[in-house]
Amino acid sequence: GESVGLHLPTLSVQEGDNSIINCAYSNSASDYFIWYKQESGKGPQFIIDIRSNMDKRQGQRVTVLLNKTVKHLSLQIAATQPGDSAVYFCAEEDSSYKLIFGSGTRLLVRP
Amino acid sequence: GAVVSQHPSWVICKSGTSVKIECRSLDFQATTMFWYRQFPKQSLMLMATSNEGSKATYEQGVEKDKFLINHASLTLSTLTVTSAHPEDSSFYICSARTGSEQFFGPGTRLTVL
Repeated sequence: GESVGLHLPTLSVQEGDNSIINCAYSNSASDYFIWYKQESGKGPQFIIDIRSNMDKRQGQRVTVLLNKTVKHLSLQIAATQPGDSAVYFCAEEDSSYKLIFGSGTRLLVRP
Repeated sequence: GAVVSQHPSWVICKSGTSVKIECRSLDFQATTMFWYRQFPKQSLMLMATSNEGSKATYEQGVEKDKFLINHASLTLSTLTVTSAHPEDSSFYICSARTGSEQFFGPGTRLTVL
């Protein structure tokens, strides 16, 4: 995963617009990836996952894209709502089922 | 989905004291539990992996004598921060794994004065 940073990059979007949050992962052998949403003072909340045998997976208003060639993961949120404001983390699972988290992106939704 | 609880949700203690944090899987049995630490504006960092009835496996740089983990049953793991110091102040989060899924607790905010 990405190295832990001292600050979180921020994505600011207008309510109703689509959001795209990106993540780079480190281990080309990882075969399971998850996106989590974390609100202030709370634990991570599962959003969507994808396995390495897929390159796209859709959920309700969310889509995850996986590009194994460049080890890149993205989360797309359609029609972003104020309740989507949070910090979003990607995570890769290693062979021991340990999760390695990316550094996170703060999503701010402007009304 | 499955529910994981943590207790307490927050704790303030004096430097030098020990603090115990509980992690429980409420409606399922967890084969493995994990403990994470999260400093402000940073990501979650795995501290240790805990399996019921066996010793925890600690990540590099995490002192096992300082962060004692006990996994007494398939639904309970505890993390004890011994001789806590202000630099141990952090948000501690546990997760519990069952099958192929991992569920997170709500976290415990530790503040050491």
